[in-house]
Amino acid sequence: ELKVEQNPLFLSMQEGKNYTIYCNYSTTSDRLYWYRQDPGKSLESLFVLLSNGAVKQEGRLMASLDTKARLSTLHITAAVHDLSATYFCAVDWELVFGKGTKLTVNP
Amino acid sequence: GAGVSQSPRYKVAKRGQDVALRCDPISGHVSLFWYQQALGQGPEFLTYFQNEAQLDKSGLPSDRFFAERPEGSVSTLKIQRTQQEDSAVYLCASSRGTGSYEQYFGPGTRLTVT
Repeated sequence: ELKVEQNPLFLSMQEGKNYTIYCNYSTTSDRLYWYRQDPGKSLESLFVLLSNGAVKQEGRLMASLDTKARLSTLHITAAVHDLSATYFCAVDWELVFGKGTKLTVNP
Repeated sequence: GAGVSQSPRYKVAKRGQDVALRCDPISGHVSLFWYQQALGQGPEFLTYFQNEAQLDKSGLPSDRFFAERPEGSVSTLKIQRTQQEDSAVYLCASSRGTGSYEQYFGPGTRLTVT
């Protein structure tokens, strides 16, 4: 059974700081996704990673995938308040989600 | 174009009532998924359609849950004899096809069973 673990589950950081969210999964998969969810809202697709070594960047967020280690990271650079949300990683075609990382960026 | 839409957005049901939740996928999207998201948790897969065929229903938690997509477009998730543990947000997502990797999510239906 495919399991997906994220850490940390809660992250409070100051504006301007950098941090990384980790996503580990238990069995081989050829695709990994990162989503953002604002309170009371649906899921917004951030990144789709399809191959070992894939790296994608959008603004202050950068995602990478290491399929051999079964690990993906979401790196936040110079955080701003607008990034406050819950971030989910998900694996496989029928998405198996992690529990999410609730990010709060404080002024 | 329009995104995935779901209705109703909020539903309150008394324990034991039947409910029907509707999903309108993006026009032309072949694949349709249903997920259940409990409060404070990540979404969990329920079922998957390719056109009108339900190819996987392994995530449906009990035989009280039933989903259909008779014409390969709109889908309905039906829950019979609702229980309190059914309270959750039900999310629908669609994708262009089996070769397409991105799922687009609707706003969800928040079901509260009292």
